[in-house]
Amino acid sequence: RKEVEQDPGPFNVPEGATVAFNCTYSNSASQSFFWYRQDCRKEPKLLMSVYSSGNEDGRFTAQLNRASQYISLLIRDSKLSDSATYLCVVKGEGTYKYIFGTGTRLKVLA
Amino acid sequence: DGGITQSPKYLFRKEGQNVTLSCEQNLNHDAMYWYRQDPGQGLRLIYYSQIVNDFQKGDIAEGYSVSREKKESFPLTVTSAQKNPTAFYLCASRAKGLNIQYFGAGTRLSVL
Repeated sequence: RKEVEQDPGPFNVPEGATVAFNCTYSNSASQSFFWYRQDCRKEPKLLMSVYSSGNEDGRFTAQLNRASQYISLLIRDSKLSDSATYLCVVKGEGTYKYIFGTGTRLKVLA
Repeated sequence: DGGITQSPKYLFRKEGQNVTLSCEQNLNHDAMYWYRQDPGQGLRLIYYSQIVNDFQKGDIAEGYSVSREKKESFPLTVTSAQKNPTAFYLCASRAKGLNIQYFGAGTRLSVL
């Protein structure tokens, strides 16, 4: 089993749709969670950290479910510019190592 | 502007050649990382450094070497021992005590 697993997609959604991605992780000791966005042939950029209580940033909502060991990302009112690959990243407390998922590809269609 | 600068953007390596990828940051971050990204795979850690003059191997260090003589700089050498070097190489840094990593724009390495 991979340490961090994501559905590779692609998720093809129309503009204005709501879309959600999940990411599961295997290490129950993981403490820090992130969603990064990566455009084609570019570097990953931090979209948001994921907090235990869940957090929202505009159209984006991230949630953490420790019991089931997954994090989620919800995008509301999808824009064409949201088309990208979304990377799930997990880190254990006091460790140097970040574990990256392979990413979920989103295509928002006009 | 503060940030992480990687150069060159594209690099071509001949058989048996060593090549060096540059990574410079002016964020005053203590920790620096090198990752490799292949199509359809997640980022894999090559080396990381938490302080000057100290670095540790990551998951795929074979065929690579690094140095950390200055806080701002963490160059990666891809040696001739790395038989499959074609990939997208990403440098990242992180401030001490914080968990968020920031990435440079990457270097695409190809073999001639």
